[in-house]
Amino acid sequence: QQQVKQSPQSLIVQKGGIPIINCAYENTAFDYFPWYQQFPGKGPALLIAIRPDVSEKKEGRFTISFNKSAKQFSLHIMDSQPGDSATYFCAANNGYSGGGADGLTFGKGTHLIIQP
Amino acid sequence: DTAVSQTPKYLVTQMGNDKSIKCEQNLGHDTMYWYKQDSKKFLKIMFSYNNKELIINETVPNRFSPKSPDKAHLNLHINSLELGDSAVYFCASSQGAGSEKLFFGSGTQLSVL
Repeated sequence: QQQVKQSPQSLIVQKGGIPIINCAYENTAFDYFPWYQQFPGKGPALLIAIRPDVSEKKEGRFTISFNKSAKQFSLHIMDSQPGDSATYFCAANNGYSGGGADGLTFGKGTHLIIQP
Repeated sequence: DTAVSQTPKYLVTQMGNDKSIKCEQNLGHDTMYWYKQDSKKFLKIMFSYNNKELIINETVPNRFSPKSPDKAHLNLHINSLELGDSAVYFCASSQGAGSEKLFFGSGTQLSVL
């Protein structure tokens, strides 16, 4: 069962455009929603994250929009650049109730290409 | 200095062999993880260790065994390798139990022939 559904699988945008990547979750116990960016040959790196008590968060050119009632959140990249070309993963924390460390449940990723 | 380092970067081996992947973090984090990324880039958690205790063990075959000599190291040992084990394995760490910000290593690409 996939707990975090991500779309699209791939996306091509012209430089300066605003790519939008969408994610939907099922588990209402999730309370932390990060986005990770992964370049080829590298591990994922945290880009931006949001908690469900706010509807939007901006960090530089990256914005997360969060809709708690719809159980959806999305990543917007303003003024996109070729250097933004990477694979983007949404995620949610597992809400592990037994105490101790949580892992993250990841979406399947979006391969983003920004064309010059 | 690399925060989370794992070795080797590439590992090519025959089916049936036993291999290990090493991971070290110099961030002083309490929790370390192993994730598997398949050919379609799907990331799935395998294990996490918090203060040398196994916290999460998803439905991973018991051929995979994490070993943590101390909180800065979490090695992954794999017995009787199978073709389906071919993937990229990522080590990660985070600060404190329940912390969400993960720092990933650069991955180990395992190819089982």
